[in-house]
Amino acid sequence: GENVEQHPSTLSVQEGDSAVIKCTYSDSASNYFPWYKQELGKRPQLIIDIRSNVGEKKDQRIAVTLNKTAKHFSLHITETQPEDSAVYFCAVRAPSGTYKYIFGTGTRLKVLA
Amino acid sequence: EAGVAQSPRYKIIEKRQSVAFWCNPISGHATLYWYQQILGQGPKLLIQFQNNGVVDDSQLPKDRFSAERLKGVDSTLKIQPAKLEDSAVYLCASSLTSSVNTEAFFGQGTRLTVV
Repeated sequence: GENVEQHPSTLSVQEGDSAVIKCTYSDSASNYFPWYKQELGKRPQLIIDIRSNVGEKKDQRIAVTLNKTAKHFSLHITETQPEDSAVYFCAVRAPSGTYKYIFGTGTRLKVLA
Repeated sequence: EAGVAQSPRYKIIEKRQSVAFWCNPISGHATLYWYQQILGQGPKLLIQFQNNGVVDDSQLPKDRFSAERLKGVDSTLKIQPAKLEDSAVYLCASSLTSSVNTEAFFGQGTRLTVV
């Protein structure tokens, strides 16, 4: 079945710097890649997603890039702010079978003021 | 629109006791998921429903966990008997359909502590 690896597990950056989180997946048929942000004690919330027919997508300070050949995708946050501090999860969804989401192990991002 | 509702928010039980969680998905969402999130880990799918039918329960420990979605709307997840390693947050999520491009919306979760 699908396997998703996420790195790094923790990331500390200075306010204003950029943060990059990377995920790799195993099923080449996967074609939907969402990123979720989970603040302490709260529900995961979708922040950005990308489909396999697109190489890059940007929404203000957040961007996601996808390399289908290498089977990896990355979350980029620019000009980080303290409120970006949270746990970020990547997920992968395959177009076959049950279309279930497989989540990465999460990255705890700390933005230092 | 109203979000995914879950109850209770917190539950503490002793091992070998039983517990049940309830989820009300977003109105009109055909697909409902139950995830287990152990502290420090990503959500792990336990069971996925399409309307009132199970489409994936491959990672559900069926000797102690059960779930149902009888009328294709609300769902309950039960653990009987609970073990210490069941301590986790149980997240319910729903999506409009199970097609590949639909977003999954999560509830606040139920934090279970087994002592």
